Amino acid sequence: GENVEQHPSTLSVQEGDSAVIKCTYSDSASNYFPWYKQELGKGPQLIIDIRSNVGEKKDQRIAVTLNKTAKHFSLHITETQPEDSAVYFCAASSPRSGYSTLTFGKGTMLLVSP
Amino acid sequence: NAGVTQTPKFQVLKTGQSMTLQCAQDMNHEYMSWYRQDPGMGLRLIHYSVGAGITDQGEVPNGYNVSRSTTEDFPLRLLSAAPSQTSVYFCASSSLTGKIDTGELFFGEGSRLTVL
Repeated sequence: GENVEQHPSTLSVQEGDSAVIKCTYSDSASNYFPWYKQELGKGPQLIIDIRSNVGEKKDQRIAVTLNKTAKHFSLHITETQPEDSAVYFCAASSPRSGYSTLTFGKGTMLLVSP
Repeated sequence: NAGVTQTPKFQVLKTGQSMTLQCAQDMNHEYMSWYRQDPGMGLRLIHYSVGAGITDQGEVPNGYNVSRSTTEDFPLRLLSAAPSQTSVYFCASSSLTGKIDTGELFFGEGSRLTVL
């Protein structure tokens, strides 16, 4: 099955700095790569996603890049703010028994200090 | 707009007891799934369903049972609870069918289960 590795496990930055989280995946058939943000006591919420026919996608301060050859994808957050502090998960959607399932990385705790 | 609703939010069980975690969505989504979240382990797929009457196992299905009799509901049953099943459980649904990819998953708020 699919295996998703995520680094780093924790990341501390100063407000206004950039943050980068990296993930690798193992299944070359994976075709959809979302990023989720989870705040304390809540369920994960999608912040950005990318499909395998696209190399980069941006949404205001957030961007995701995908390198299919190397099987890795990254989340970039610019001009970080204290409200960006949360746990971030990458994931990969891979086909399984005719239907796709989403496999998650182990998460990155991002702390943005004022 | 309720989205994905999970009940109960908290539950304490004794080893060997059985219980059902409820999940309901009001978005008419065909694709529903259950994940468990443990510290340092991320979210791991337990079972998923692509429509009423169709379920399949995920990465960690042992000790759990599911059924899908309606589009709206996808209950997760613990047959004989064990301390290793202490976790936070999340139900999620998607508007896509899963035949190409899962698309965005909409998560519930989670159910925290402790097994003593």
